[in-house]
Amino acid sequence: QVQLQESGPGLVKPSETLSLTCTVSGGSISSYYWSWIRQPPGKGLEWIGYIYYSGSTNYNPSLKSRVTISVDTSKNQFSLKLSSVTAADTAVYYCARDTRTTIFVGYGMDVWGQGTTVTVSS
Amino acid sequence: DIQMTQSPSSLSASVGDRVTITCRASQGISNSLAWYQQKPGKAPKLLLYAASRLESGVPSRFSGSGSGTDYTLTISSLQPEDFATYYCQQYYSTPITFGPGTKVDIK
Repeated sequence: QVQLQESGPGLVKPSETLSLTCTVSGGSISSYYWSWIRQPPGKGLEWIGYIYYSGSTNYNPSLKSRVTISVDTSKNQFSLKLSSVTAADTAVYYCARDTRTTIFVGYGMDVWGQGTTVTVSS
Repeated sequence: DIQMTQSPSSLSASVGDRVTITCRASQGISNSLAWYQQKPGKAPKLLLYAASRLESGVPSRFSGSGSGTDYTLTISSLQPEDFATYYCQQYYSTPITFGPGTKVDIK
């Protein structure tokens, strides 16, 4: 079955750029949408944005000015970059498969990575 | 943005109890609602989608209902493995938004 694995630095300095990659195994990245979600310590879930395998993206307006999500179909990976980070960006970051299609809202996020903790600190 | 609220924010229950969690959207979402279960240190797990459809492999003691702006998650007979935090999520429109969560713990 499809599995997702996040990877990237666990510590990022303030004002720098957070970079994470999600590797999709057991299936193809093609024909799906792929999301990033984060969860600050002790708090709820925040959707960051998604990318279609073709490269089209949709970002949360609250983060849009700082977020870039990209896809590399040859590696079956998609990535997140979040610029100008502050302590408020400290969170567990999850990648997930979004079941929407180009003409249907889908049925939520059915496969999740285990999450990776990113701490913003000098 | 569509705002999601949940009630209660937490509840204490015993094994075997019937538990109901409510989720309300700030506008109609046409049943484009999912429920997730999250245990400490773990990723959320999809339980139900389209408000009432059970994800494959999820026990039938979980059920969902609702329409328009108001939705409920019911656990018919709480089991030890059900103690967790539950989140609703609307995927009707972007930005996708989650409720603040309901923590279910042991009485």
